[in-house]
Amino acid sequence: SAVISQKPSRDICQRGTSLTIQCQVDSQVTMMFWYRQQPGQSLTLIATANQGSEATYESGFVIDKFPISRPNLTFSTLTVSNMSPEDSSIYLCSVETGTNEQFFGPGTRLTVL
Amino acid sequence: AQSVSQHNHHVILSEAASLELGCNYSYGGTVNLFWYVQYPGQHLQLLLKYFSGDPLVKGIKGFEAEFIKSKFSFNLRKPSVQWSDTAEYFCALSRGGNKLTFGTGTQLKVEL
Repeated sequence: SAVISQKPSRDICQRGTSLTIQCQVDSQVTMMFWYRQQPGQSLTLIATANQGSEATYESGFVIDKFPISRPNLTFSTLTVSNMSPEDSSIYLCSVETGTNEQFFGPGTRLTVL
Repeated sequence: AQSVSQHNHHVILSEAASLELGCNYSYGGTVNLFWYVQYPGQHLQLLLKYFSGDPLVKGIKGFEAEFIKSKFSFNLRKPSVQWSDTAEYFCALSRGGNKLTFGTGTQLKVEL
């Protein structure tokens, strides 16, 4: 398994601003992912954070809106840019430890006013 | 594209009742199937998984699930629920890679 922490745990932001969410893992992992859980909905994969290269985005998500960094095997950031109220969601980081199982962080609850 | 359906959005049971939560998926190829649980105020955590082999898989806390390929189903069961099983349950699949596709979740409430 893996222990994952996220910062911040929650935030309230103004429309038009940006927020960077950090994800830290207690061990080196190859695969890191970012998901979004909108109110009343399920989890949707935003992108795969690749170490040393650009993230791989899912359909409907673009780098300009959700830039991702992955500087090493234990850390990643997701930025939600130029926020609108529709970006209000829980953002979750997950990792895969080589056993085809994913472990999830506690999530960041974002509210955009 | 693959999808996962969970037909029961809210389930209310009394303690000691039996539980079965439905999960159906649409994808014709090989899949890995998962059930995740999120207890109030806690992280999403893995309950059980199916990759191959015995279609009846057992997970933590007395949960089990049965993979029925002909029905594209992976239903979650527990013979006797406890109040502490109150949580949201998510079915998910991956197509042999790492990307998870989740169902919409089932909110289970167990009453004393």
